[in-house]
Amino acid sequence: DADVTQTPRNRITKTGKRIMLECSQTKGHDRMYWYRQDPGLGLQLIYYSFDVKDINKGEISDGYSVSRQAQAKFSLSLESAIPNQTALYFCATSVDGTQPQHFGDGTRLSIL
Amino acid sequence: RKEVEQDPGPFNVPEGATVAFNCTYSNSASQSFFWYRQDCRKEPKLLMSVYSSGNEDGRFTAQLNRASQYISLLIRDSKLSDSATYLCVVKAGGSYIPTFGRGTSLIVHP
Repeated sequence: DADVTQTPRNRITKTGKRIMLECSQTKGHDRMYWYRQDPGLGLQLIYYSFDVKDINKGEISDGYSVSRQAQAKFSLSLESAIPNQTALYFCATSVDGTQPQHFGDGTRLSIL
Repeated sequence: RKEVEQDPGPFNVPEGATVAFNCTYSNSASQSFFWYRQDCRKEPKLLMSVYSSGNEDGRFTAQLNRASQYISLLIRDSKLSDSATYLCVVKAGGSYIPTFGRGTSLIVHP
């Protein structure tokens, strides 16, 4: 089983819909991150959490919200989806600020 | 100046060639450095950490130059399967978040 699991893997939805992307991990890491990736733009950080009670905005948090339900779970919500949020979304974890991150398989999100 | 910069490429090389990528960073407090490999529309996967003294893993060699603030990745005897995008990641530790470069595209052709 994957250490970092994202659901769904693919999602097509319509403008204005509320969408939740979920991430769960079995690595026991405290730190979790949500990124989006658009072609040619690299990874952009949306939100990150250093522990269950900690939530921080990344560089592109507008239009997104997150919930850290437990150490192992970090969900990303799009309250009212818009087409320019079509992208590949990755969840990642790390044990601390010096160790590498581990990524989930990604969620391909298309908003029509 | 961007915090982490990479030449986007693509680097187009024949099989068997040696190719090197550099990645420059601006935060002199950076402590940890990594190279990731990303295949098209897949998740980034850790290729190797970069240690101060330099390190090697098979055909891959990573080096750190703190004075000039860059890391490098050398790939020897390139294989078709090495075709991918290579991302460098820099971490300053503590409460700092990791900073990714945009990646360097490598295409290895027959």
